Amino acid sequence: DAKTTQPTSMDCAEGRAANLPCNHSTISGNEYVYWYRQIHSQGPQYIIHGLKNNETNEMASLIITEDRKSSTLILPHATLRDTAVYYCIVRGGPGQAGTALIFGKGTTLSVSS
Amino acid sequence: DAGVIQSPRHEVTEMGQEVTLRCKPISGHDYLFWYRQTMMRGLELLIYFNNNVPIDDSGMPEDRFSAKMPNASFSTLKIQPSEPRDSAVYFCASSFRINQPQHFGDGTRLSIL
Repeated sequence: DAKTTQPTSMDCAEGRAANLPCNHSTISGNEYVYWYRQIHSQGPQYIIHGLKNNETNEMASLIITEDRKSSTLILPHATLRDTAVYYCIVRGGPGQAGTALIFGKGTTLSVSS
Repeated sequence: DAGVIQSPRHEVTEMGQEVTLRCKPISGHDYLFWYRQTMMRGLELLIYFNNNVPIDDSGMPEDRFSAKMPNASFSTLKIQPSEPRDSAVYFCASSFRINQPQHFGDGTRLSIL
């Protein structure tokens, strides 16, 4: 069973920032937060992951609260191509033994012009 | 740099027939995963391999399903005999280590009539 809670759906205007929240109140000290997305008819795509520090890459930024019980994925300038289902997943990090990904229902992000 | 390659992309067959899905992971990745996605159950892990050895097959629904990995560059998922309830999109993914980001193929859309 998924260890995260996400809103079912969100809307965002093209060019604006999309902020996708995720609650993971039962996260343990050595577990990471991973984000994937799935564009219609494609396989899931890795976006970003983090432990406790904020992370940024070419796709997005990940903001994790100090108590690590929640996080926010930020797409700084959403485009129509960012319309997808976004999954927040908690699991062991690189180098740690752990289970494979457990996908919940995710958040359906709809970007409109 | 080739990603995970799955074949066929689409398969339509009649109930009772044998179905074989194929996957070529990214070169150098030690882990290979098979997932199934349906509207009702979302994305579910079926089985995963480490260095060609099955590690966890607890997600395989029943004995009609089998998976093999004869070498580091090829894996198959077989359903025999197939049933209409097996209709789903089947994804293969690979990763360098167990908790490194997983890279997914584009999936096989299976329809059992």
